[in-house]
Amino acid sequence: EIVMTQSPSTLSVSPGERATLSCRASQSVSSDLAWYQQKPGQAPRLLIYDASIRATGIPARFSGSGSGTEFTLTISSLQSEDFAVYYCQQYNNWPLTFGGGTKVEIK
Amino acid sequence: QLQLQESGPGLVKPSETLSLNCTVSGGSIGSNSYYWGWIRQPPGKGLEWIGSIHYSGSTYYNPSLRSRIIVSVDTSTNQFSLKLTSVTAADTAVYFCARLLTTDYFDYWGQGTLVTVSS
Repeated sequence: EIVMTQSPSTLSVSPGERATLSCRASQSVSSDLAWYQQKPGQAPRLLIYDASIRATGIPARFSGSGSGTEFTLTISSLQSEDFAVYYCQQYNNWPLTFGGGTKVEIK
Repeated sequence: QLQLQESGPGLVKPSETLSLNCTVSGGSIGSNSYYWGWIRQPPGKGLEWIGSIHYSGSTYYNPSLRSRIIVSVDTSTNQFSLKLTSVTAADTAVYFCARLLTTDYFDYWGQGTLVTVSS
């Protein structure tokens, strides 16, 4: 099983600032990585797939990068609606696995 | 707009079987391009993939749960289902159904349903 590790577990950021979230895979997943946003009481929402492609309707302030074992989700200028928990997920190998999440909170 | 909706009991007794359905509307479950999956999230914790199914019946299961799960599909009702046997308190979670593009990532999700295992 590929273990996905996200860091930090909590990120405190002021509105308008840049947020950088990391996701590391225990072995290479090529570019088979997705990012999701989850707000309290809601289902996750797909943000990024194939490591860097924004899903339909996702604002340009969200960007993904990386390949192999190291990935980054960047939110260029945090808006109030962006404070949430973010998960990465690999789909290079079964079983599909998620990272433990990064909570982005208001500083 | 594709929508998914989970349904089933919110309370299950220990050692019994958890059964959930997911109804797909706004699109057909019988498409070659998609799998349909179950994911769960214990209260306050992260996401765990349970299993996925294609309309043809092809399935993939999480090895950690494989001995206890059955995922099935009914194209006539546009539904797919999850059965999890011999449940314990550790199976208490919000259960989500979702669509996967092929076998990859989840692009549409249901709202989730909380299932509590308790006597």
